[in-house]
Amino acid sequence: KAGVTQTPRYLIKTRGQQVTLSCSPISGHRSVSWYQQTPGQGLQFLFEYFSETQRNKGNFPGRFSGRQFSNSRSEMNVSTLELGDSALYLCASRPNSGSTGELFFGEGSRLTVL
Amino acid sequence: QKEVEQDPGPLSVPEGAIVSLNCTYSNSAFQYFMWYRQYSRKGPELLMYTYSSGNKEDGRFTAQVDKSSKYISLFIRDSQPSDSATYLCAISANSGYSTLTFGKGTMLLVSP
Repeated sequence: KAGVTQTPRYLIKTRGQQVTLSCSPISGHRSVSWYQQTPGQGLQFLFEYFSETQRNKGNFPGRFSGRQFSNSRSEMNVSTLELGDSALYLCASRPNSGSTGELFFGEGSRLTVL
Repeated sequence: QKEVEQDPGPLSVPEGAIVSLNCTYSNSAFQYFMWYRQYSRKGPELLMYTYSSGNKEDGRFTAQVDKSSKYISLFIRDSQPSDSATYLCAISANSGYSTLTFGKGTMLLVSP
């Protein structure tokens, strides 16, 4: 069974640009979460989607947005990039509703903002 | 005070040692406790999942939760070089769609 797939794995952008990251969850998983990981702040929750609806949102500015498609694939977008947005962005899927903690993570998309 | 505190390490031990990794948390509403392992350049993977106070054992790994002290631990027996990774504790307040709050992770280095 294929794991969570994230693309692209690495990307470099400049300040002011925008970026879109993609995540394909494990087949059959309907919940997708996004986390930002930095050395200083660790893993921080961005948002979670279930059945194309945003269920929870973390404490990030409106420049961070996401969406989920009918096939459960998800994208997140960061507009007007800042240097501080450089991070590893991790996508995780859950088997189904009610499965606390059983997050299955992808390998992440490493974003560098110059 | 951050919701979850975890010593970043690195923690260096020789092969075969018993390792103790710890987290403290501040919110008594937390009920679900997890440990994730993250190898370099990889995403975190779930190691242990416990609910409420007590111990849970899985092979060389034992997770311990003390809700009265708001303290959770992960013990690794007979540590191996392949255990070298960053270990993250994660805590959740309730089931379903509750988000996870992660510690910053402890880097463990096991030398042969």
